[in-house]
Amino acid sequence: EVQLLESGGGLVQPGGSLRLSCAAPGSTFNKYAMSWVRQAPGKGLEWVATITEGGATTYYADSVKGRFTISRDNSGNTLYLQMSSLRVEDTAVYYCTRPRHLQLVHRCDYWGQGTLVTVSS
Amino acid sequence: DIQMTQSPSTLSASVGDRVTITCRASQSINSYLAWYQQRPGKAPKVLIYSASSLESEVPSRFGGSESGTEFTLTISNLQPDDFATYYCQQYFRFPLSFGGGTKVEIK
Repeated sequence: EVQLLESGGGLVQPGGSLRLSCAAPGSTFNKYAMSWVRQAPGKGLEWVATITEGGATTYYADSVKGRFTISRDNSGNTLYLQMSSLRVEDTAVYYCTRPRHLQLVHRCDYWGQGTLVTVSS
Repeated sequence: DIQMTQSPSTLSASVGDRVTITCRASQSINSYLAWYQQRPGKAPKVLIYSASSLESEVPSRFGGSESGTEFTLTISNLQPDDFATYYCQQYFRFPLSFGGGTKVEIK
């Protein structure tokens, strides 16, 4: 069974920074591209970023480009999202997601439980 | 960028009804379309992928179809467990994009 365990959410002031983690136990983490998807309270789903299986290439939504950085540690089976210059509109539950197959541009077959980021003064 | 326009945003129905949700892509996405179900406080779950393929263990009352750039999720014989919010997503190219969601409510 695929497990994705997010952590690192919390309350942060506008302009602040936060780093989210997603632990993915198992030996196959380094075979899959990974993504972050977020959901603002009462709103729909928004793709945030994707990283290739080796970490060499990343893709971002325009709304976070230049402020967020997706990265991964394949030796530690962990995905990260470094968020800086946070805005009130970044308030959301952030989900770590993975495809079932070895696809870069993928659907989100597996989801974590989500971690809540609240940006407020 | 590919825009996904989903309708309706809310749908009121009764147990046993047949309901249809539509998602229109702003350009061709070659059937790279998934449908998700999300219950309150939970992560989304894939129901349909490749526009019309049923995910394993998803009841057969869920079905997907496509006609050009218009995609449809149909739920036949609506069950109490089906009252939830549904999203479409294109995974043809970056940026990945979701429809705005359809909340299926009890009439």
